[in-house]
Amino acid sequence: DQQVKQNSPSLSVQEGRISILNCDYTNSMFDYFLWYKKYPAEGPTFLISISSIKDKNEDGRFTVFLNKSAKHLSLHIVPSQPGDSAVYFCAASVGNQFYFGTGTSLTVIP
Amino acid sequence: GAVVSQHPSRVICKSGTSVKIECRSLDFQATTMFWYRQFPKQSLMLMATSNEGSKATYEQGVEKDKFLINHASLTLSTLTVTSAHPEDSSFYICSASPGSGANVLTFGAGSRLTVL
Repeated sequence: DQQVKQNSPSLSVQEGRISILNCDYTNSMFDYFLWYKKYPAEGPTFLISISSIKDKNEDGRFTVFLNKSAKHLSLHIVPSQPGDSAVYFCAASVGNQFYFGTGTSLTVIP
Repeated sequence: GAVVSQHPSRVICKSGTSVKIECRSLDFQATTMFWYRQFPKQSLMLMATSNEGSKATYEQGVEKDKFLINHASLTLSTLTVTSAHPEDSSFYICSASPGSGANVLTFGAGSRLTVL
């Protein structure tokens, strides 16, 4: 049973515009949420996270929003840059257990 | 920040041989390490959870006798692919966590295994 879901396998955005990546989860016990970025043939790298007690966390061009009632989180990238093209995984954790979504491949078109 | 080193980054072996991949936490002690496999254009598939000093917990469908995991110290976990077949060719990635209370999982750079 997939506890973390990314329903959009791919997304294309024009350079300079906003990229919005979405993620849904089912377990209300998750207490921490993370986004990872992955380039081909490399391991995922941590991007940004948010605690379940918050609804927004911002770091430069990246903002993560958490809607606990909807069990939904999103990653906003603005302005999008060609170097942002990668696969983005959302993850949720409870204790020492991490659950990953299936990833969304973002392409930023110059 | 936390760093996880994975070695080798690329390995080519013949069918029937065994290959060992190492995962090291360089600046923290990892009580738990995770091994993932990624097929082309697919998501990360968790293979097993490696706990220091105890047996690994394998995900359903993962052959524990084929993918041997050893977590002998707080900074090292190894994955050995035994009697490798071409269908074992994949990208294997490890990740590590310092333990309970840690909120971020750090990944290694991955190991590309090609079985001829």
